[in-house]
Amino acid sequence: GQQLNQSPQSMFIQEGEDVSMNCTSSSIFNTWLWYKQDPGEGPVLLIALYKAGELTSNGRLTAQFGITRKDSFLNISASIPSDVGIYFCAGDSTDKLIFGTGTRLQVFP
Amino acid sequence: DSGVTQTPKHLITATGQRVTLRCSPRSGDLSVYWYQQSLDQGLQFLIQYYNGEERAKGNILERFSAQQFPDLHSELNLSSLELGDSALYFCASSVVAGWGDTQYFGPGTRLTVL
Repeated sequence: GQQLNQSPQSMFIQEGEDVSMNCTSSSIFNTWLWYKQDPGEGPVLLIALYKAGELTSNGRLTAQFGITRKDSFLNISASIPSDVGIYFCAGDSTDKLIFGTGTRLQVFP
Repeated sequence: DSGVTQTPKHLITATGQRVTLRCSPRSGDLSVYWYQQSLDQGLQFLIQYYNGEERAKGNILERFSAQQFPDLHSELNLSSLELGDSALYFCASSVVAGWGDTQYFGPGTRLTVL
């Protein structure tokens, strides 16, 4: 199945650091979504973006819908231990949701 | 607890067999989605139902089928199972049908095909 290019694949950071991850696609999307998945659980929606250039925040999380509609990034500021997990981007393309390959985040105290 | 229930939690079966996974959405949610998560394919959207009707189709194989019943619960049927079908299958539900509407994921059914 199709997957979006998401980078980095994994990150090991110290508590308090900022984190940035992004997703790119060869296709244009109508909606970009960012999810977090904790071990043994289903993904949880963090942020939804609906139009090109849109910048949306949710607490320490900020995400942007790229101008070209082919990319998106997610920033996490001042990371804390509970930020550990796998982060997925997803794009809506003609009634089909396509997920990124995931970024595994580890936060060390 | 998201309010979405999935049964069974674990399922072990043999190649060639057929299984049915069940999902009960959150109370009031009309839309149900099915996803497959495996190590090699990642998270894949399979199919969406809204108020009993198929709404969107993703990477669902012809050997797989789903339906949503009048009480809004949904079942995913997997037949002629192959080793590669081993994966975590998630169901999610939302109030309406848009992708941006918050989807609440169930705990998943882990399918192992031997």
